[in-house]
Amino acid sequence: RKEVEQDPGPFNVPEGATVAFNCTYSNSASQSFFWYRQDCRKEPKLLMSVYSSGNEDGRFTAQLNRASQYISLLIRDSKLSDSATYLCVGYSSASKIIFGSGTRLSIRP
Amino acid sequence: NAGVTQTPKFRVLKTGQSMTLLCAQDMNHEYMYWYRQDPGMGLRLIHYSVGEGTTAKGEVPDGYNVSRLKKQNFLLGLESAAPSQTSVYFCASSPPGRRDNSPLHFGNGTRLTVT
Repeated sequence: RKEVEQDPGPFNVPEGATVAFNCTYSNSASQSFFWYRQDCRKEPKLLMSVYSSGNEDGRFTAQLNRASQYISLLIRDSKLSDSATYLCVGYSSASKIIFGSGTRLSIRP
Repeated sequence: NAGVTQTPKFRVLKTGQSMTLLCAQDMNHEYMYWYRQDPGMGLRLIHYSVGEGTTAKGEVPDGYNVSRLKKQNFLLGLESAAPSQTSVYFCASSPPGRRDNSPLHFGNGTRLTVT
């Protein structure tokens, strides 16, 4: 089992919709998680950090569910510019940074 | 601030040739990383460094060497390139403090093709 797993998608939703996707992790001792956004052929960029009970930043909400060992990303009122690949990142038991393979999101007009 | 800068941006090598990828950061970050990204595989850690003069192996280190002679630079070397090393290479750095609480800052990437 991969240490960090994501649904690869693609998620194809209309502009203005709410979309959510999850990331599961296998190391119950993991403390820190992040969501990164990656545009086609570009470098990943930090979208949100996810600490303890999660956090919100504008249209984006990240949640951490320790009991079920997953984190989620919710995007409200989606924009065309939200189209990208979203990478879930967690820390393994060896304090190594583990990236999920990414979830592709496509927002259609 | 330039952040994290990678050179070159593109390179084509023939099998057996060698090259060095340079990563430079001006944020005084302690930790630096080299990743490769292949379609459907996500980012995989090649080597990393927790400080000047130290390096460690990541998930896929074979065929690569690294050096961190100066805090701001992290070099990735391919001694004898193979087609399997065709990939996009990203360098990243993270600030001092607890490594598991510090997000990564990425360079723009180097697209390497080995024929």
